[in-house]
Amino acid sequence: DSGVTQTPKHLITATGQRVTLRCSPRSGDLSVYWYQQSLDQGLQFLIQYYNGEERAKGNILERFSAQQFPDLHSELNLSSLELGDSALYFCASTPRGTGELFFGEGSRLTVL
Amino acid sequence: LAKTTQPISMDSYEGQEVNITCSHNNIATNDYITWYQQFPSQGPRFIIQGYKTKVTNEVASLFIPADRKSSTLSLPRVSLSDTAVYYCLVGVTNTGGFKTIFGAGTRLFVKA
Repeated sequence: DSGVTQTPKHLITATGQRVTLRCSPRSGDLSVYWYQQSLDQGLQFLIQYYNGEERAKGNILERFSAQQFPDLHSELNLSSLELGDSALYFCASTPRGTGELFFGEGSRLTVL
Repeated sequence: LAKTTQPISMDSYEGQEVNITCSHNNIATNDYITWYQQFPSQGPRFIIQGYKTKVTNEVASLFIPADRKSSTLSLPRVSLSDTAVYYCLVGVTNTGGFKTIFGAGTRLFVKA
């Protein structure tokens, strides 16, 4: 158990819909990272937050957005879903001053 | 961010030592080298991190030559359960502006 909690674990929805994925980082970790991993593909960095502020952005689609709340949990919003958005979405957090990422178990999104 | 190059895949047998080398010719002075392990449908897990020379923990060793342009992850006496994808990351361990981008990784197959 990494200490990072992601919900829901599985989600099935239809094209055009909108979903929200939630992440609670490890206690005390201020940074949250979001990654997308499609079937048999590598991890694609989406976005990073630190203490509520966006710190780095990857190839995140305009249909996707994220935020980190004062209690440090983060949400990734995916809208106008397409079949190609089906993937595992991972959240990770990291303690200050280290490069060690702690990953959650992921949210598996299936778009039909 | 320094670009990393790793072999796409490697095969080994149980009980053997496995060495996976990562090239990072453009590594910067402040960059650390971090290795992660990922099993199918799970988030990556931190293995080891180093800056120079040799680092050893309970699961692996990391060898970094003086010029730091490459690094080698050494897994002693692998077992079937070590079959996974191994990622080498190079970057600064701070809390902001570091995208923590994963490359394609090395798929290690351990055979009986």
